[in-house]
Amino acid sequence: GQNIDQPTEMTATEGAIVQINCTYQTSGFNGLFWYQQHAGEAPTFLSYNVLDGLEEKGRFSSFLSRSKGYSYLLLKELQMKDSASYLCAVLLYNFNKFYFGSGTKLNVKP
Amino acid sequence: GAVVSQHPSRVICKSGTSVKIECRSLDFQATTMFWYRQFPKQSLMLMATSNEGSKATYEQGVEKDKFLINHASLTLSTLTVTSAHPEDSSFYICSARGRQAQPQTNTGELFFGEGSRLTVL
Repeated sequence: GQNIDQPTEMTATEGAIVQINCTYQTSGFNGLFWYQQHAGEAPTFLSYNVLDGLEEKGRFSSFLSRSKGYSYLLLKELQMKDSASYLCAVLLYNFNKFYFGSGTKLNVKP
Repeated sequence: GAVVSQHPSRVICKSGTSVKIECRSLDFQATTMFWYRQFPKQSLMLMATSNEGSKATYEQGVEKDKFLINHASLTLSTLTVTSAHPEDSSFYICSARGRQAQPQTNTGELFFGEGSRLTVL
């Protein structure tokens, strides 16, 4: 099976920076994705890492270390609308499997 | 960006009936489609992977005779929940991947449908 772990819930203050971690133990790793999901809606794509290092995309950055099976999503200048669940997902086996972590519910407070 | 349309968005049915959910890729050819189920406050659980023109691959614990998946064309996949029961009530989401037309820019990203909320009475 695949193990993809994230913290269940986090709270941060508007304007601050928050880091959401994701660890994984999988076989046939082919990339790691981060998605945002608001309650009752489908996930929306945030970022993608296939090589080690940091990918920056506006207020969002994602980091990957394949040797450690570790990724994080960094959200800067938090806004109230960033309150949502954040899901990491691992792509396996030549793009034929796509598994999600348990998701991290982020609460942004004023 | 690519669009995936899922229908119906909400469905309520009686126990014992069957429900069909459609997933269409509107502006690209979806070579692979994934079907997920999401219970309240939980993450997306992969149910099955389907490739156009071949049988779906089901995850362990998912009954293939209960959740029938058809991927007859490059733009349409369907999930039929047969003989639905209240415990099948959930949010079902499809997602699709297209052909890698531009490998240097294609991230393998999934495009999601809007989801279908099934309530079985």
